[in-house]
Amino acid sequence: GQQLNQSPQSMFIQEGEDVSMNCTSSSIFNTWLWYKQDPGEGPVLLIALYKAGELTSNGRLTAQFGITRKDSFLNISASIPSDVGIYFCAGQGGKSTFGDGTTLTVKP
Amino acid sequence: GAVVSQHPSRVICKSGTSVKIECRSLDFQATTMFWYRQFPKQSLMLMATSNEGSKATYEQGVEKDKFLINHASLTLSTLTVTSAHPEDSSFYICSAGTPLRGIQYFGAGTRLSVL
Repeated sequence: GQQLNQSPQSMFIQEGEDVSMNCTSSSIFNTWLWYKQDPGEGPVLLIALYKAGELTSNGRLTAQFGITRKDSFLNISASIPSDVGIYFCAGQGGKSTFGDGTTLTVKP
Repeated sequence: GAVVSQHPSRVICKSGTSVKIECRSLDFQATTMFWYRQFPKQSLMLMATSNEGSKATYEQGVEKDKFLINHASLTLSTLTVTSAHPEDSSFYICSAGTPLRGIQYFGAGTRLSVL
């Protein structure tokens, strides 16, 4: 089946630093999605990408749909303590496939 | 974004009892809903895909007689954990696929603890 490789698995950063994470796949997807999950909660959709090469921002978050349609990245600028959580990428091509998540810890 | 309501948020039950979890799409009709299980610090594990008016499709290794799924309407899907045992303790999350490009929106999850 389709698999997504999400990296890094975890990140420990200082408040104010920028963050970058990405997902790659051997399969082509029509849509890339990025979610954030707070502890004890369900994932919340952050950004949806629909076209190859598309670059979309949501506040301090920026995500891009790779040209090959096999990858996507998410950047967070000027991180703050409330950015902590698990970030999941998801590729959609009929069925949704989720990455294993990137756990972000932000030190004040 | 679309709103998905999941209830209850937390349930504690005795071993051998059955527990029902509800998932509702509040502002859209969801022909497809999904049920996930998540262990601490791990990713989402898809258990089954629930289609309105038809039988759910279970992932390999998920016991369909153990985890009963009913998708009786376009806005409601239920997961019943039958004869629950301590090993069924976990975080269960539902999601609903929107008509717009099928993007999934998630419920807040249900923490199940079986004593």
